[in-house]
Amino acid sequence: VVLTQSPATLSVSPGERATLSCRASQNISGDYLAWYQQKPGQAPKLLIYRTSSRATDIPDRFSGSGSVRDFILTISRLEPEDFAVYYCQQYVTSPRGYTFGPGTKLELK
Amino acid sequence: QVQLVESGGGVVQPGRSLRLSCAASGFTFSAFGMHWVRQAPGKGLEWVAVVSYGGSDKYYAESVKGRFTISRDNSGNTLYLEMNSLRPEDTAVYYCAKDGEVAWPYYYYVDVWGKGTTVSVSS
Repeated sequence: VVLTQSPATLSVSPGERATLSCRASQNISGDYLAWYQQKPGQAPKLLIYRTSSRATDIPDRFSGSGSVRDFILTISRLEPEDFAVYYCQQYVTSPRGYTFGPGTKLELK
Repeated sequence: QVQLVESGGGVVQPGRSLRLSCAASGFTFSAFGMHWVRQAPGKGLEWVAVVSYGGSDKYYAESVKGRFTISRDNSGNTLYLEMNSLRPEDTAVYYCAKDGEVAWPYYYYVDVWGKGTTVSVSS
């Protein structure tokens, strides 16, 4: 199952809303979809799991939604520290493993 | 606090071997599946392998199957990745990561990542 993320790059101003898309090539369970944030030179960080559950200490301006094949990460009011690359990830049952999307780079407009 | 610290990276010639380690602390290591994920320079994330909490179940990405072996030492709280027949395309930062919840053979996402160790395969 392939994950496609769009757009590849999103230019947004602080305070604005950002909407990032992740599309699966096949239907997947909402339990199987997670989002990570990665800043330059750092390890990825879990943001959202099971499509819409925020990880520990993640601000409520981050929210996830979606089902079946289309999933969305929304950042409601961008802060300067939110400019990073965002990856969606799915749990695959056959063959076993994980698949990551190619990432969306959120850049300062 | 939960911490994962990778080590063992370096520069190696094609065809040679390398073993990575990941020292875990701050949680019950033996209760969680553990993963290796890599990132080639300037590229995205690629899942590499996972081992179940007891060590009996192991799964690999097609790109490394037959060359890499994941293992764990629950008494020493350490995860390993033995990499053989290395290729230039294995050049990457290798991260170890902890399963998000206790599950068999592993869970739907990872919730803690190490800082990574860099492997460079070049002649």
